[in-house]
Amino acid sequence: AQSVTQLDSQVPVFEEAPVELRCNYSSSVSVYLFWYVQYPNQGLQLLLKYLSGSTLVKSINGFEAEFNKSQTSFHLRKPSVHISDTAEYFCAVRPPNSGNTPLVFGKGTRLSVIA
Amino acid sequence: DGGITQSPKYLFRKEGQNVTLSCEQNLNHDAMYWYRQDPGQGLRLIYYSQIVNDFQKGDIAEGYSVSREKKESFPLTVTSAQKNPTAFYLCASSKQGGDGELFFGEGSRLTVL
Repeated sequence: AQSVTQLDSQVPVFEEAPVELRCNYSSSVSVYLFWYVQYPNQGLQLLLKYLSGSTLVKSINGFEAEFNKSQTSFHLRKPSVHISDTAEYFCAVRPPNSGNTPLVFGKGTRLSVIA
Repeated sequence: DGGITQSPKYLFRKEGQNVTLSCEQNLNHDAMYWYRQDPGQGLRLIYYSQIVNDFQKGDIAEGYSVSREKKESFPLTVTSAQKNPTAFYLCASSKQGGDGELFFGEGSRLTVL
């Protein structure tokens, strides 16, 4: 069975500093990878996803993630964070061509941006 | 605007009472899902349905029940058999044959007193 490990449960970072949120998955086959963001008391919103092609994927608000097959990782990065980036971030995985097999989520990383 | 609507957003109930959480979508998605979220535990799958009148248990189905009589609707009942029902519940949907991207509702927070 697929599993996702988010290595840090909490990440505090100062405003305008860079941040990396780590995600590793367990699979020897191709996967689709997703990052979602959740603001307090809200649902999850898709931040970005990797399906195939270029290993570097970017979101519209400055986040990017790099798919690394050899390390089975999909770390999320931002070069300069804002207070508004304070939220919980979830990494998720699914095998391609698997119908509507549900996504498997990591336990989340709470990003706190400090002014 | 298309989306997923969950209601109620907040719900308080006494121990031993059954509770039904509503989830409606107008995205014309075939598949719908219920996840439970607890602090530090991420999202855990309760039930999912890939088509009307069919559903499958997820990882933590005990104490919950669902129905899928209409494509747009996937209500979740938290029964009195659920030992620790206080949690944040999230409903989601996805396209048939897509990449698996989930579209989420705003969630329902259930507190059992």
